[in-house]
Amino acid sequence: GQNIDQPTEMTATEGAIVQINCTYQTSGFNGLFWYQQHAGEAPTFLSYNVLDGLEEKGRFSSFLSRSKGYSYLLLKELQMKDSASYLCAALDSNYQLIWGAGTKLIIKP
Amino acid sequence: IAGITQAPTSQILAAGRRMTLRCTQDMRHNAMYWYRQDLGLGLRLIHYSNTAGTTGKGEVPDGYSVSRANTDDFPLTLASAVPSQTSVYFCASSMSGTDTQYFGPGTRLTVL
Repeated sequence: GQNIDQPTEMTATEGAIVQINCTYQTSGFNGLFWYQQHAGEAPTFLSYNVLDGLEEKGRFSSFLSRSKGYSYLLLKELQMKDSASYLCAALDSNYQLIWGAGTKLIIKP
Repeated sequence: IAGITQAPTSQILAAGRRMTLRCTQDMRHNAMYWYRQDLGLGLRLIHYSNTAGTTGKGEVPDGYSVSRANTDDFPLTLASAVPSQTSVYFCASSMSGTDTQYFGPGTRLTVL
């Protein structure tokens, strides 16, 4: 079956760095998305990786290893507003997104 | 309209009633999607449409139907609501089936 695994919850300190991991098993693979979702709001797009390597976008970076079925989202210089859930999703061979349950990130002052 | 809108924002519904959730986008996106989000679970695809006039079933289509008469609108209908359909429903759209999906604000539905 198809599966996305990511930690349920993580805690980090304001100003620090945090890495949120995601492993995926899908029938075929056409890319990996990360979304941010604040409580009570809609998911918003953060990043897309289809080739191996690191994509940097401001304070956020996303990494992909296709051979390992692994991705991570790296958040630097954490701010209180980064408190949210982070959703990992893989695009399968039918071009449907398979979603993880999300990682709730708690930022402490 | 800017982006993608959903209506209603929230609704409490008696079991057995019929309900249509509305979704409209003005981005001229070809593909549209309906998801449900339940606590502790990932977003689950209910139905999708890759282009106007076509629809497809997702992971959890039972009890739901959709139509795509034009590019902008993608309503989701619950023919006879049941309590297990209590959830937050998100509509999303993308330029094509392989592109980034953009989400509407969601509809919180409670079936009693």
